Amino acid sequence: AGVTQSPTHLIKTRGQQVTLSCSPISGHRSISWYQQTPGQGLQFLFEYFSETQRNKGNFPGRFSGRQFSNSRSEMNVSTLELGDSALYLCASSLGLLTSYEQYFGPGTRLTVT
Amino acid sequence: TQLLEQSPQFLSIQEGENLTVYCNSSSVFSSLQWYRQEPGEGPVLLVTVVTGGEVKKLKRLTFQFGDARKDSSLHITAAQPGDTGLYLCAGGTDTGNQFYFGTGTSLTVIP
Repeated sequence: AGVTQSPTHLIKTRGQQVTLSCSPISGHRSISWYQQTPGQGLQFLFEYFSETQRNKGNFPGRFSGRQFSNSRSEMNVSTLELGDSALYLCASSLGLLTSYEQYFGPGTRLTVT
Repeated sequence: TQLLEQSPQFLSIQEGENLTVYCNSSSVFSSLQWYRQEPGEGPVLLVTVVTGGEVKKLKRLTFQFGDARKDSSLHITAAQPGDTGLYLCAGGTDTGNQFYFGTGTSLTVIP
């Protein structure tokens, strides 16, 4: 099975928080998260490997994540803003993304109203 | 300003034509990857180029990594409607700990 993400779609109100989930391909230990918008394109949020954040993009602290011992990962966005509306993608790889190929999930479409 | 700039941003061509997409940066990348993304799906990896000057061929697609590892190109020969999609280059720099995606090239191949 490939990378799975849940939920597929989500509608939230400004100020709320949201948690997105990502399950990697079996055996993959790294999960990376990305935000995709029409204006900014695909932007790297962070990477988790062996339950530790290894790399981080230029996003505010409202964006956070964690990885569990089974390599599944969650991403949390607090105090949602309208500009957080985007497609959130996760990708899994065998090891750190700078050394191994990534495989993407279908994404979670978040709409903030 | 994006670290990886792609050109052109949009491309609409007839089936059978050839095309080239460019990916440029002022930074040195340890490797560059090319992805294709279709609507409603995540990007799918096409190829990874690692060595400066490297050329890789995948059927009708030819990928090249610049000698200085700052740029890359994707050439498609005899484009087909199935090639339609968003093409993205991506990679990590030699010095940083982030992963960057290019600005993207939206290709439409008209039957």
